Amino acid sequence: AQKVTQAQTEISVVEKEDVTLDCVYETRDTTYYLFWYKQPPSGELVFLIRRNSFDEQNEISGRYSWNFQKSTSSFNFTITASQVVDSAVYFCALSDLRGQAGTALIFGKGTTLSVSS
Amino acid sequence: GAGVSQTPSNKVTEKGKYVELRCDPISGHTALYWYRQSLGQGPEFLIYFQGTGAADDSGLPNDRFFAVRPEGSVSTLKIQRTERGDSAVYLCASSWDRAREQFFGPGTRLTVL
Repeated sequence: AQKVTQAQTEISVVEKEDVTLDCVYETRDTTYYLFWYKQPPSGELVFLIRRNSFDEQNEISGRYSWNFQKSTSSFNFTITASQVVDSAVYFCALSDLRGQAGTALIFGKGTTLSVSS
Repeated sequence: GAGVSQTPSNKVTEKGKYVELRCDPISGHTALYWYRQSLGQGPEFLIYFQGTGAADDSGLPNDRFFAVRPEGSVSTLKIQRTERGDSAVYLCASSWDRAREQFFGPGTRLTVL
């Protein structure tokens, strides 16, 4: 069965610290997609990144970077030099392509990140 | 606006009542999804539309839940005989196609008393 595990429920850091959010997934599919979303206190989910299963190249976007390792079924997210505005719940998700029918996102339970000044 | 919109933002109803939740996707997005998010949990898939048809409704919890998208744009999620356990935030998302990233609306917070 498809599953996403975010073992860290809550993380607290002080501004300017680096922080890594872990994500481990399970799937029998050879083609799949992985995502990260941010849910700030306002509640609206914000898309951060999409990665397909054939592309293991790490990605960097400003202070954000992602490390995808198929060997360990992990897709970890690092924020460098964290800021108070990074405080949010972060969700890792796996797409379930379900053949031709559709694509449901399977979410982890989320990691709540609190950045204090 | 450019994003996904949902109305109402909040809905309070009594047990046993019927409710309708509306989603207006991003213009041009053919794929539309409904999810439900309970407190402290990630969103859970309910139903997926490709165009006007419900391509996958396997996430609907029971036959009290139904959704339509008659013209391939706006969608309505309908819940009959609401129960207290239906209380949650109902999220709508849309995307260009089924494998692309999904963009979420602000959600409708449903409270069943």
